[in-house]
Amino acid sequence: EAQVTQNPRYLITVTGKKLTVTCSQNMNHEYMSWYRQDPGLGLRQIYYSMNVEVTDKGDVPEGYKVSRKEKRNFPLILESPSPNQTSLYFCASSSTWTGYDSPLHFGNGTRLTVT
Amino acid sequence: SQQGEEDPQALSIQEGENATMNCSYKTSINNLQWYRQNSGRGLVHLILIRSNEREKHSGRLRVTLDTSKKSSSLLITASRAADTASYFCATEETSGSRLTFGEGTQLTVNP
Repeated sequence: EAQVTQNPRYLITVTGKKLTVTCSQNMNHEYMSWYRQDPGLGLRQIYYSMNVEVTDKGDVPEGYKVSRKEKRNFPLILESPSPNQTSLYFCASSSTWTGYDSPLHFGNGTRLTVT
Repeated sequence: SQQGEEDPQALSIQEGENATMNCSYKTSINNLQWYRQNSGRGLVHLILIRSNEREKHSGRLRVTLDTSKKSSSLLITASRAADTASYFCATEETSGSRLTFGEGTQLTVNP
């Protein structure tokens, strides 16, 4: 089944404790992206990747890191999480970035709470 | 930055009625897409309309795009309780390589 898999689904952590949210897609997609969703703010892009070894900042990259060493994986790293990073996170992918016939496929989300 | 703005923020209707949601955006786009999100779940792509298209249909969905007014509408006909969800428009700007989402319309369809 074609899908984007995020783990974990729920995560509670403390300020400053490094964490990684994994994202994997099995559709051979070139483009991958991370969003965070907050009430009243909609979805905001954190980082995106056009292809392996190519990553770029989105609208809200501060406090996050990503890597794209393999086509299928795009982990999101929080080196020193803070309470303002409490949010619902989504990974998404699409086959290319022309957009014309390349809608985004989303994972089921990771709800992160930082205390 | 937020590109798309949906209107209304919330909509409550009875089963069988039609639901119309609107989206306005600010810059030139390659395409506009609509997504649906069930509570706390990932977004699911519904329909994509290109900048050179004016109307598109998919099942009970009808999307229009007016590039002169920088606006789009999503019509769901003969709504069902299962259509209850949040609906987001997203735009691919001509200048960028990403999709920018609005804040969404929360649709509630009462049985």
